[in-house]
Amino acid sequence: GAVVSQHPSRVICKSGTSVKIECRSLDFQATTMFWYRQFPKKSLMLMATSNEGSKATYEQGVEKDKFLINHASLTLSTLTVTSAHPEDSSFYICSAGQGDTEAFFGQGTRLTVV
Amino acid sequence: DAKTTQPPSMDCAEGRAANLPCNHSTISGNEYVYWYRQIHSQGPQYIIHGLKNNETNEMASLIITEDRKSSTLILPHATLRDTAVYYCIVSLSGTYKYIFGTGTRLKVLA
Repeated sequence: GAVVSQHPSRVICKSGTSVKIECRSLDFQATTMFWYRQFPKKSLMLMATSNEGSKATYEQGVEKDKFLINHASLTLSTLTVTSAHPEDSSFYICSAGQGDTEAFFGQGTRLTVV
Repeated sequence: DAKTTQPPSMDCAEGRAANLPCNHSTISGNEYVYWYRQIHSQGPQYIIHGLKNNETNEMASLIITEDRKSSTLILPHATLRDTAVYYCIVSLSGTYKYIFGTGTRLKVLA
């Protein structure tokens, strides 16, 4: 099946710095990708839709200036957490799909802000 | 808001069938039912999906009621590795935009 890969799988950063997470579709092209965040023992919460060649669409309550999304190619979307704070620590997951199939999810990135 | 409701947790004995229910009473006619599971600290893994007919693959069976307002995921012979959180999602085919509910935490007991 199709593969979606995230990098890095874990990252620790200092408060006030920015961190970039990559999401790649390895064997298909994706005009849209999706970013989710997940707190411990909670469900996935959709943050935004990443659109290739245009601006991302953010869900209500998600700060677009805090979570910058870039989708510059059909196989890569990036999520940058800017000026990270401890409350941004979370598990971030991306997904994408192709044709009429189901969505495929990356393995997730655990961000810890210290 | 999620269009699905699931019991928060279930236990199942190893080797027995695990039947996980999902209510989706507001599903629209062209929305599919998707099932995923998530093992701790991993991304969700696809299990199965269907529109109106029952479906079966190597992992599980999906039973959808005739009115499509509910469905049941069946793991025929649960193993310890099936311990995970199971999510039922309704979505239009090919949109990939999923709104997750709270899921069911399945624990398979030895």
